Amino acid sequence: QQPVQSPQAVILREGEDAVINCSSSKALYSVHWYRQKHGEAPVFLMILLKGGEQKGHEKISASFNEKKQQSSLYLTASQLSYSGTYFCGTSWMDSSYKLIFGSGTRLLVRP
Amino acid sequence: EADIYQTPRYLVIGTGKKITLECSQTMGHDKMYWYQQDPGMELHLIHYSYGVNSTEKGDLSSESTVSRIRTEHFPLTLESARPSHTSQYLCASSDSSGPGEKLFFGSGTQLSVL
Repeated sequence: QQPVQSPQAVILREGEDAVINCSSSKALYSVHWYRQKHGEAPVFLMILLKGGEQKGHEKISASFNEKKQQSSLYLTASQLSYSGTYFCGTSWMDSSYKLIFGSGTRLLVRP
Repeated sequence: EADIYQTPRYLVIGTGKKITLECSQTMGHDKMYWYQQDPGMELHLIHYSYGVNSTEKGDLSSESTVSRIRTEHFPLTLESARPSHTSQYLCASSDSSGPGEKLFFGSGTQLSVL
């Protein structure tokens, strides 16, 4: 039931791009993206609802592919501040809106 | 920013002790959640509540219990702490307007059971 995230870890140079994927075996209703820095609480990035909507947040955007039951998070022109662990959280059509998180993708941006 | 508070921030306690982790929010959110997270690992949902007197167990089995007597308060209790309970516990809340509402997380309680 837990969504599957890939890759597990990414190392980038400042200014490079990255894509993080989140897949589910069940029909998704919503996908949430959060970023967590070491020793801190997760911070909300964006939500995508069923319907294929793409959302953006400065240089971070995401898409929702309903056919594949997959969401992708796009990080463009990465900055040092993007470093952290990215979690996707998913809710399903048959759930009571509880959010289940993937195992996370560790992103390290180097100068 | 989010007004959700967790206390204590750090707790070191001996085996067998009863502990309560506090979580309060001032946003009037109906939904509240407890997640357990080991260092560098995913967040596991252990309890959730959709309102006063409503509590459900999450996907990860936990020996802890919760109560929701007031909207703003969602404490988690361990009757007899064990070393296997050592972990970070994160409380979160969200509005009840629909499935698309974001979670606000507290700063977490890092629990160490010796």
